[in-house]
Amino acid sequence: GENVEQHPSTLSVQEGDSAVIKCTYSDSASNYFPWYKQELGKRPQLIIDIRSNVGEKKDQRIAVTLNKTAKHFSLHITETQPEDSAVYFCAASMGGANNLFFGTGTRLTVIP
Amino acid sequence: NAGVTQTPKFQVLKTGQSMTLQCAQDMNHNSMYWYRQDPGMGLRLIYYSASEGTTDKGEVPNGYNVSRLNKREFSLRLESAAPSQTSVYFCASSETRSNEKLFFGSGTQLSVL
Repeated sequence: GENVEQHPSTLSVQEGDSAVIKCTYSDSASNYFPWYKQELGKRPQLIIDIRSNVGEKKDQRIAVTLNKTAKHFSLHITETQPEDSAVYFCAASMGGANNLFFGTGTRLTVIP
Repeated sequence: NAGVTQTPKFQVLKTGQSMTLQCAQDMNHNSMYWYRQDPGMGLRLIYYSASEGTTDKGEVPNGYNVSRLNKREFSLRLESAAPSQTSVYFCASSETRSNEKLFFGSGTQLSVL
């Protein structure tokens, strides 16, 4: 199956700074790349996703970039706020939710 | 509209005991999934049901069974719990199997002693 690696495992930033989380995937057939946010004790929630026919996608303060050649994708959060503190998971799928493989997560802490 | 509802939220079992985790969704989704979440390992798929009447193994199915009771409900059963099954379990649903957008339940924290 697909192997998704995620870095860093923990990240601390000052409020207002930017945060970047990176993921690599192994299977070039993967074509769907979502990011989930999980606040402490809560359920994971989809915050942004991108398909392989697009290189970048933005939604307000968050953006995802995809480099198919290098097989990596990144989550960018600008102007971070304390409520951005959470664990973020990347994932990759080669088709179908049953083929969705998750990274190991990044714990982001935004320091006020 | 509650989304995906899981019960119980917490459970402690002794090795060898059995239990069933319940999951229901009210979004009229066709596909449902069970994941386990372990520290440092992300979310791993245990079993899924692409549609009512079908179930299939995921990445880590050993020690588990599932039942898709109807379109709304998908249960996960541990027949003889082992300490290695201590984990947080999440149920999820999607409109169809090909639609990868998952909606998760609030999780069940299970400890097997």
